[in-house]
Amino acid sequence: DTEVTQTPKHLVMGMTNKKSLKCEQHMGHRAMYWYKQKAKKPPELMFVYSYEKLSINESVPSRFSPECPNSSLLNLHLHALQPEDSALYLCASSQELAAFLNTGELFFGEGSRLTVL
Amino acid sequence: TQLLEQSPQFLSIQEGENLTVYCNSSSVFSSLQWYRQEPGEGPVLLVTVVTGGEVKKLKRLTFQFGDARKDSSLHITAAQPGDTGLYLCAGAGSSNTGKLIFGQGTTLQVKP
Repeated sequence: DTEVTQTPKHLVMGMTNKKSLKCEQHMGHRAMYWYKQKAKKPPELMFVYSYEKLSINESVPSRFSPECPNSSLLNLHLHALQPEDSALYLCASSQELAAFLNTGELFFGEGSRLTVL
Repeated sequence: TQLLEQSPQFLSIQEGENLTVYCNSSSVFSSLQWYRQEPGEGPVLLVTVVTGGEVKKLKRLTFQFGDARKDSSLHITAAQPGDTGLYLCAGAGSSNTGKLIFGQGTTLQVKP
């Protein structure tokens, strides 16, 4: 069982809806990540938080808005999405960003499957 | 730009066969990771290789890191249907951006 928990597992939304994806980890990790993954493709980095501060934004459209309320939680707020945004959204964590830079080891959640109609 | 080229992209074999997946780059990586992802799940870390020439074994899986730390391979002996999934090699980028560089992935199907 993964120690990174994502909810919901499945989400269907219209293009005018506002919804949120949630991620929680209790491993004491201080770096958290959002990835987007299309079928049979590798994950694509969206955002990185380090010590609850946004460290990296990979030029993601503003219709995706990340939030890190505390060191255990990571949210991704969704608004006015397009059908091409349909994908598996993965949350991941690592001990610290610095440690990750050496080891590249990430712990992924099971993902939230998003469908935009 | 650091790239990881993974091959083959797709592999369909019978139970009991052996296979090797390759991950190559023209750049040096301080470490490389192998992840396996089953349908509908997130990637799960299998192994990290750090030292050039290193060989690590995980049951029927053997991982090797090239001497120059530019390439890695994953060998599966006597594949089982439970080995079916997407295999991803990955490495931390050298520009200290926090970005994990992934290979394109190998989709493995093991038929009973």
